Amino acid sequence: DTEVTQTPKHLVMGMTNKKSLKCEQHMGHRAMYWYKQKAKKPPELMFVYSYEKLSINESVPSRFSPECPNSSLLNLHLHALQPEDSALYLCASSQTGQLNTEAFFGQGTRLTVV
Amino acid sequence: KNQVEQSPQSLIILEGKNCTLQCNYTVSPFSNLRWYKQDTGRGPVSLTIMTFSENTKSNGRYTATLDADTKQSSLHITASQLSDSASYICVVSAMAGTASKLTFGTGTRLQVML
Repeated sequence: DTEVTQTPKHLVMGMTNKKSLKCEQHMGHRAMYWYKQKAKKPPELMFVYSYEKLSINESVPSRFSPECPNSSLLNLHLHALQPEDSALYLCASSQTGQLNTEAFFGQGTRLTVV
Repeated sequence: KNQVEQSPQSLIILEGKNCTLQCNYTVSPFSNLRWYKQDTGRGPVSLTIMTFSENTKSNGRYTATLDADTKQSSLHITASQLSDSASYICVVSAMAGTASKLTFGTGTRLQVML
């Protein structure tokens, strides 16, 4: 199983809503990532979890709150988002501390904030 | 600052033709370099991953090269197919603690036409 599964595939939410994006992998990877990608731009790193601990936070606004409940799951809690937060949110996972580590990406959640 | 630059930005070729995409990087400390294929609105899919000791790696019709001295990589696509139409992203990995930190290029948008 080399899949990273993200749910939902599409999400439309209002600026006062609270929603969560979910990501799951069963490859035994101990590093998981959240990326944000705007149209025709490369993905931008948001957060990195390593061994279920937040190791990198790329100065992301507090309206995005990551959570890693166990080694297979990664959530991104959303609250009071702005229309400019509309984007494709990608989850990825990889082995940690491995020189030849491979990163596998999910298919993304297309988020629209109205 | 870690950077990855790709050229050309976009490319249109006829089906059956070959093409080569370029990637220049300044990333330290270098861990590995990956090429991903990304269809619009979908997550990136890995094509190849190369460490500093590897010069060439093939995956079917895709052949990647790496010159760690000049910090350049190329992706050669042979006998292109319509399904090759996508964005091709060069991603360079730097070790950051126990997790890899990926620097993405802006991608080359390839369109294969009949």
